[in-house]
Amino acid sequence: EDKVVQSPLSLVVHEGDTVTLNCSYEVTNFRSLLWYKQEKKAPTFLFMLTSSGIEKKSGRLSSILDKKELFSILNITATQTGDSAVYLCAVDHYNAGNNRKLIWGLGTSLAVNP
Amino acid sequence: GAVVSQHPSRVICKSGTSVKIECRSLDFQATTMFWYRQFPKQSLMLMATSNEGSKATYEQGVEKDKFLINHASLTLSTLTVTSAHPEDSSFYICSARGGVSYEQYFGPGTRLTVT
Repeated sequence: EDKVVQSPLSLVVHEGDTVTLNCSYEVTNFRSLLWYKQEKKAPTFLFMLTSSGIEKKSGRLSSILDKKELFSILNITATQTGDSAVYLCAVDHYNAGNNRKLIWGLGTSLAVNP
Repeated sequence: GAVVSQHPSRVICKSGTSVKIECRSLDFQATTMFWYRQFPKQSLMLMATSNEGSKATYEQGVEKDKFLINHASLTLSTLTVTSAHPEDSSFYICSARGGVSYEQYFGPGTRLTVT
């Protein structure tokens, strides 16, 4: 069964800390892995990863994919209270019926305390 | 970046009534739109996938007669929750994919409360 597993499920840190969020997957016909940030509303896109070993960066956030070991990490350095959110990982793939879909992880809830 | 809007952002309705939620891609043509629902502290659950001009494909366990989806144009999809019940209260989110990117862009979501 296709699945995406995120860890930890929740995390509490202090401002300035660095955090690493994990996403592992087992899916057929992998296309890409995506990271989203969800605050009180709908998810906002962070990164799309398709190739192994190529780090993507946006400010204090970075992410990398390992297609051999089937996981990705999302790093946030020098965390700020505004980083508090649920971080969702999703894998884009073609399922058994050759339909293209996203498989979602349950998310990591990050709380950054001042 | 691509923008997807949803309307309304919040709706409260009485049990037994129907509610329509609109999802629009504002600056790109969305060949595919997705409808999700999300319960508190849970991940997104895909309800259905709709391609412009064809019938929506519903996920297992989602009643197509209760959740009517119409994707009549490349910029608009609607979800109608028919004969709403309190258990339909949830956060409904649409996303759209199209153009040169394969990313999904999400609307801001609609909070439905059925009393």
